[in-house]
Amino acid sequence: SQQGEEDPQALSIQEGENATMNCSYKTSINNLQWYRQNSGRGLVHLILIRSNEREKHSGRLRVTLDTSKKSSSLLITASRAADTASYFCATDTFQGAQKLVFGQGTRLTINP
Amino acid sequence: ETGVTQSPTHLIKTRGQQVTLRCSSQSGHNTVSWYQQALGQGPQFIFQYYREEENGRGNFPPRFSGLQFPNYSSELNVNALELDDSALYLCASSPGSSVDTQYFGPGTRLTVL
Repeated sequence: SQQGEEDPQALSIQEGENATMNCSYKTSINNLQWYRQNSGRGLVHLILIRSNEREKHSGRLRVTLDTSKKSSSLLITASRAADTASYFCATDTFQGAQKLVFGQGTRLTINP
Repeated sequence: ETGVTQSPTHLIKTRGQQVTLRCSSQSGHNTVSWYQQALGQGPQFIFQYYREEENGRGNFPPRFSGLQFPNYSSELNVNALELDDSALYLCASSPGSSVDTQYFGPGTRLTVL
């Protein structure tokens, strides 16, 4: 079963605009990570935020985490055509096997 | 490039057959995890190996099995293939048994006819 749910499922914006994707999850977590996937290929790690952190930045990426609401958001500023991809949040939980549990992803399209 | 490689890139099998997928982790990474990603879905955890021992398993039947070797390579074996096994299979390596950043390979696309 999927732990995280991304919202929206698909997002289409113009180049240069900002893109915001949201992720909700169900159980307590150690950390939350965001990954990017281009055209059904391997996943690329973008950023990791730990449960005791509230915000993290990496280049044009900004991630927030609200553990009280069990939600996270990924903001991509000044989007580029190369940002077109699927974006997944993944949680690492305290329960059971040490595994990443992914949501269904947001398909982001940047129009030139 | 993550330094994680997988082979083959694509594979076509028929229902009931067996398949072996291979992964080569980054040097020094003693943990490998395997994921199944159906079309339009997020990856689902199959199992994880740490220092050649299974370290955890997701909700997959026993016909999904794995091996990890001392040279940072690993295998995913699937017996008695079913149509629903058609998916992208991803391996990911990490330097320790705790789940921090995982480095994914490009995946193997398996089609079961």
